[in-house]
Amino acid sequence: EIQLQESGPGLVKPSQSLSLTCSVTGYTITSGYDWSWIRKFPGNKMEWMGYISNSGSTNYNPSLKIRISITRDTSKNQFFLQLNSVTTEDTATYYCARSPTGRRYWYFDFWGPGTMVTVSS
Amino acid sequence: DVQMTQSPSNLAASPGESVSINCKASKSISKYLAWYQQKPGKANKLLIYSGSTLQSGTPSRFSGSGSGTDFTLTIRNLEPEDFGLYYCQQHNEYPPTFGAGTKLELK
Repeated sequence: EIQLQESGPGLVKPSQSLSLTCSVTGYTITSGYDWSWIRKFPGNKMEWMGYISNSGSTNYNPSLKIRISITRDTSKNQFFLQLNSVTTEDTATYYCARSPTGRRYWYFDFWGPGTMVTVSS
Repeated sequence: DVQMTQSPSNLAASPGESVSINCKASKSISKYLAWYQQKPGKANKLLIYSGSTLQSGTPSRFSGSGSGTDFTLTIRNLEPEDFGLYYCQQHNEYPPTFGAGTKLELK
C-alpha cells in the first residue's frame, strides 16, 4: 500500500527557510497523481499549500506564491517543500498528501502522519 | 477563495448513536465536497468525495449528502473507532479549502 512520510527540522528560526521532505513508498510519483503539501495550524485550521504534478509542474496557493517552492527527486521518489522567510505564523503541522489529477479532483486520498514545525528564535 | 463553515465545532455521542456534521460553502461548489477523519498520530483518512461517493474502505455507516452550498456527513451506529476530528474540504474550485473541523467525542 502507498505510504507517505514527512521529515525535516522541528524547529526553524524566524526569517529562515523551512525545508521538508516527503518520502513515498508503494507508488512512483511520476506514474500519476498530484503531490501536495497541506498544513494544520494550532487551533485546527487547515491550508492547502501547493502541489507538484506527476510531470513536474507546480501549482501553489496564491496566499503563499512568493514564498513557496515544491520540487522533487524522482530517483528517490521524494518531493520537497521549501517555505521562505518564515514567521511564527508558519508554526503548524505539515502534511504531504496525494490527490488524483484533474479539475475537481483536488481531494486527498493518502496522507502522511504529519510533522510538527515550530518557528521560534 | 471558497469559505467552508463547519458545524458543530464539538459533538458528544455514545456508541450506537447516529450523528450528523454540517458543512456550508460560501458559494455553490456543485457536488464537490470531501470528508476526512483525523486522529492523533495517524494519517488522515479520506471518507467521502464528490459529496456522497464512499472512498474504498469506508464503512457503509458513513454517508454524505448535499449539493450546492449545504452538505452533511452522517455516521450511523457509532463505533468506538469513529471518535476523532472530522473535516470537510471543497474540491470544486482552486485552491481547495477546508472547514474548521468538528471534534466528535465520547459522551
